[in-house]
Amino acid sequence: DAMVIQNPRYQVTQFGKPVTLSCSQTLNHNVMYWYQQKSSQAPKLLFHYYDKDFNNEADTPDNFQSRRPNTSFCFLDIRSPGLGDAAMYLCATSRVGETQYFGPGTRLLVL
Amino acid sequence: GEDVEQSLFLSVREGDSSVINCTYTDSSSTYLYWYKQEPGAGLQLLTYIFSNMDMKQDQRLTVLLNKKDKHLSLRIADTQTGDSAIYFCALDGDTGTASKLTFGTGTRLQVTL
Repeated sequence: DAMVIQNPRYQVTQFGKPVTLSCSQTLNHNVMYWYQQKSSQAPKLLFHYYDKDFNNEADTPDNFQSRRPNTSFCFLDIRSPGLGDAAMYLCATSRVGETQYFGPGTRLLVL
Repeated sequence: GEDVEQSLFLSVREGDSSVINCTYTDSSSTYLYWYKQEPGAGLQLLTYIFSNMDMKQDQRLTVLLNKKDKHLSLRIADTQTGDSAIYFCALDGDTGTASKLTFGTGTRLQVTL
């Protein structure tokens, strides 16, 4: 089935240890998004890719980076995770100007 | 920027109707969405409405849009225990290369027997 897949579903990392979260899609959408969702809050957009063009939100910390090597895959890199970065990370995809479809999310725990 | 507000909590009995409300400040969105999030899961698209419509019905779901009052609602008929979740309204802001969503604060729906 066409879908948005996120791996792993749960990730535990140590304070300051780089971590990478993965998202893949079979929908062939040209836009991919990364959101951060903290407990009991709405998702907050970190950045998005339109094809290979990277678009960062103004208030996204430099600690968060992203890579999109091809249409299907997009990665979220957290260079030096802090305790405040523990959250659910959601990937979404869409065609330009159309509905966003979300993956199941990766829950990140920072020890 | 856009402010999108929802009430935090709603409790209904199984079989009753649920109405989840959403108010917003910026009326320039083309599409307005409702997403459902179950515990520990991602966001599931439930339905959406085009901004030039007043109402959309999709099986047990009815979306009402009052543009004058900047009010969006989601009605769930015959609410079931499986409907227990957090419901987010979201408004799009088209940047030309992406559909950037502004989410409401989320309403937790509890369905009791």
